[in-house]
Amino acid sequence: EVQLLESGGGLVQPGGSLRLSCAASGFTFSDFGMSWVRQAPGKGLEWVSAITGSGNNTHNADSVKGRFTISRDNSKSTLYLQMNSLRAEDTAVYYCAKVGKPRLGIWYFDLWGRGTLVTVSS
Amino acid sequence: DIVMTQSPDSLAVSLGERATINCKSSQSVLYTSNDKNYLAWYQQKPGQPPKLLIYWASTRESGVPDRFSGSGSGADFTLTISGLQAEDVAFYYCQQYHSPPWTFGQGTRVEIK
Repeated sequence: EVQLLESGGGLVQPGGSLRLSCAASGFTFSDFGMSWVRQAPGKGLEWVSAITGSGNNTHNADSVKGRFTISRDNSKSTLYLQMNSLRAEDTAVYYCAKVGKPRLGIWYFDLWGRGTLVTVSS
Repeated sequence: DIVMTQSPDSLAVSLGERATINCKSSQSVLYTSNDKNYLAWYQQKPGQPPKLLIYWASTRESGVPDRFSGSGSGADFTLTISGLQAEDVAFYYCQQYHSPPWTFGQGTRVEIK
């Protein structure tokens, strides 16, 4: 079955760190770019970070530049998001998402995980 | 950054009637080199992740009912639900993938009148 399963969310204090993971299955992970998209409570979708299938290229939203790092381990079919210097405004459900076409750099998302909640609060 | 603006924010439609959602981008998302509009539509039901409905502005994802259709080009796009069903109650988002940062519209809530 083709699926994505996020983990690693939780409650963290402002200024703290957290690492999210996304385990992929059912497709050739290394062929596809991956992204993290977040959704604050009651709000819309915000793209956060993206990485190509090889892992050689990444993009980050300005709101997380210098604080969040996306990476992947293709041998483990797992995507990561290292989040440092967390702020209250980072509170959200974080989804990992797979791009729709392999190896083409086309960034719409045809598969989403169920998300993991990150709460930044003292 | 390309700003995506949806209208309306919310709409109520009777069962079986047509729902129309608009999405406008602050700059064209059409690549003239391949004549493709880099625009996708998603549906999100409460407590669920988004689901891809449409990509390339008008290509329906596999398994999506044909009552969902996308149209438009350049900077103006429309998602149409022809014959609203109860299971279509959801939020709908457009997204441009023309250039990073990839941006979403603010969402449109569709409910039954």
